[in-house]
Amino acid sequence: KNEVEQSPQNLTAQEGEFITINCSYSVGISALHWLQQHPGGGIVSLFMLSSGKKKHGRLIATINIQEKHSSLHITASHPRDSAVYICAVIQGAQKLVFGQGTRLTINP
Amino acid sequence: DGGITQSPKYLFRKEGQNVTLSCEQNLNHDAMYWYRQDPGQGLRLIYYSQIVNDFQKGDIAEGYSVSREKKESFPLTVTSAQKNPTAFYLCATVRGTNYGYTFGSGTRLTVV
Repeated sequence: KNEVEQSPQNLTAQEGEFITINCSYSVGISALHWLQQHPGGGIVSLFMLSSGKKKHGRLIATINIQEKHSSLHITASHPRDSAVYICAVIQGAQKLVFGQGTRLTINP
Repeated sequence: DGGITQSPKYLFRKEGQNVTLSCEQNLNHDAMYWYRQDPGQGLRLIYYSQIVNDFQKGDIAEGYSVSREKKESFPLTVTSAQKNPTAFYLCATVRGTNYGYTFGSGTRLTVV
């Protein structure tokens, strides 16, 4: 079993829909990242959080440390949100452990 | 603008050859990391360095080597001992504890 599990692995939705991607982890962490990877391969960090909730534009990330679970929400989804979203947890020595990613496709 | 530069973007190598992937940063970050990404899998840590002239093996270091002679540079050599080198390689840096990571744009290596 992977230390970081994401669901769903693939998600297709229509433009405007509310999107939720889930991340569960089984190890102790100091913080959690949500990352976005576009088809070209480069990765952008969306959020780093260790408690509660963060919001940036149409993106919202939450984390529940007791339940070892985090969610990424996208409101009013748009085709340009289509990408792979990756959850990664930070362990000691700033080591990142990555989930397998969720491939999101938003159709117009 | 500060950032990470990985080069080249695409690289082809013949079997049995060593190849070096470049990672340069002008963010003045101490820690640098190399990750490998294979289709359908999460990124895996190859090597990392938290300070100049020091580096540590990650989870899949066999067949790879690194150096950290300058703070700005952390090149990765894929040696002929790496049995399955075709993959996407990402370099990352972090400023320190409680700071987010910055990723390069990656190098796609194909062995032909």
